[in-house]
Amino acid sequence: EAGVAQSPRYKIIEKRQSVAFWCNPISGHATLYWYQQILGQGPKLLIQFQNNGVVDDSQLPKDRFSAERLKGVDSTLKIQPAKLEDSAVYLCASSFSGSNTEAFFGQGTRLTVV
Amino acid sequence: EDQVTQSPEALRLQEGESSSLNCSYTVSGLRGLFWYRQDPGKGPEFLFTLYSAGEEKEKERLKATLTKKESFLHITAPKPEDSATYLCAVGGNFNKFYFGSGTKLNVKP
Repeated sequence: EAGVAQSPRYKIIEKRQSVAFWCNPISGHATLYWYQQILGQGPKLLIQFQNNGVVDDSQLPKDRFSAERLKGVDSTLKIQPAKLEDSAVYLCASSFSGSNTEAFFGQGTRLTVV
Repeated sequence: EDQVTQSPEALRLQEGESSSLNCSYTVSGLRGLFWYRQDPGKGPEFLFTLYSAGEEKEKERLKATLTKKESFLHITAPKPEDSATYLCAVGGNFNKFYFGSGTKLNVKP
């Protein structure tokens, strides 16, 4: 079974530029999560989709971050404009049916904002 | 407020020295408790799911247990390759999925 795919693996941008991350979840998984992980900390949920609807985006900085999940499958997370404090690893995860089933993670995208 | 707290933040063990990691939680409507292992530069790797108090799961040198307020990850006779950050996550009401900040384990040969 293929795992969660993310791209790119690494990205370096200057502050105020924009960047987008892509995620392809495990086939058949209805729930998709985007997390931000700052070095030395646990993952922080940014947004959670159930199929193509948003379940929770309470911690998403909506003035600069946006996310979509087209047709309930792939998802993109965008930052525009980026700030220095956005430097982190962005993790995508998917699960079969929500918070009562385990989530599987991709390798993440390491973003450096300079 | 829903919260997941892991302790200790860091743990250094000698090879063969058994110990336990703790995950305490206050979550409305526990739907599942999950343990993950994370190696540097990689995404978290799923280890165990626990659903109800008294439940236990084992895998090689790892054993996870669950009570109504906390979970323990017991590591028996660890090896250097067990060195990693261990993350606890809790599934709560409204499909929310919360992570603790992790325990960084270092096993020395």
